[in-house]
Amino acid sequence: QKEVEQDPGPLSVPEGAIVSLNCTYSNSAFQYFMWYRQYSRKGPELLMYTYSSGNKEDGRFTAQVDKSSKYISLFIRDSQPSDSATYLCAMTLGGATNKLIFGTGTLLAVQP
Amino acid sequence: EAGVAQSPRYKIIEKRQSVAFWCNPISGHATLYWYQQILGQGPKLLIQFQNNGVVDDSQLPKDRFSAERLKGVDSTLKIQPAKLEDSAVYLCASIPGMTSGRWETQYFGPGTRLLVL
Repeated sequence: QKEVEQDPGPLSVPEGAIVSLNCTYSNSAFQYFMWYRQYSRKGPELLMYTYSSGNKEDGRFTAQVDKSSKYISLFIRDSQPSDSATYLCAMTLGGATNKLIFGTGTLLAVQP
Repeated sequence: EAGVAQSPRYKIIEKRQSVAFWCNPISGHATLYWYQQILGQGPKLLIQFQNNGVVDDSQLPKDRFSAERLKGVDSTLKIQPAKLEDSAVYLCASIPGMTSGRWETQYFGPGTRLLVL
């Protein structure tokens, strides 16, 4: 079993739709949870991070962490064609290395 | 502020050849990471440096991969000899400070895309 599981998609939605992206994980010791966006032929860029359980909102993006279920989500409201990218969840124990464990990524296409 | 620089952007080699990648982190960033991202997968950490010392190289295939950061600034990752399964994007990332238990944003470079034939 992988430490972090993520549906690879692809996911295709019309412009303006609400998008839900999800990851599950097995290591209950993870403390920090992140969502990265990766455009084609680019490096990942951080969208949002959450420490422990709870919700965090930033504009059209909302991140949720449910540590009891080992489940994290990213919601995108009013999706735009510019949101088309691969979305990677990542998590870390923190500590000396801050080593990130990534999911496989979900490819999202927002159709105009 | 300039981002993380990597070169070359693309490399095609034949199996059993050697190849080297270069990374220059954001100025002043003490900690540098190399990741391998195979097509359809998330990045996997290969090695982490703090200044010029290795913090974590547990997932680096040391029989063929090597990395150095001699002056604590830029870094090189080498593969010798390359195998078909090494075809991937090699990403470099950096963070401003020493890792101290508090999470910090990792800033990624654009990556080097390697194809081994």
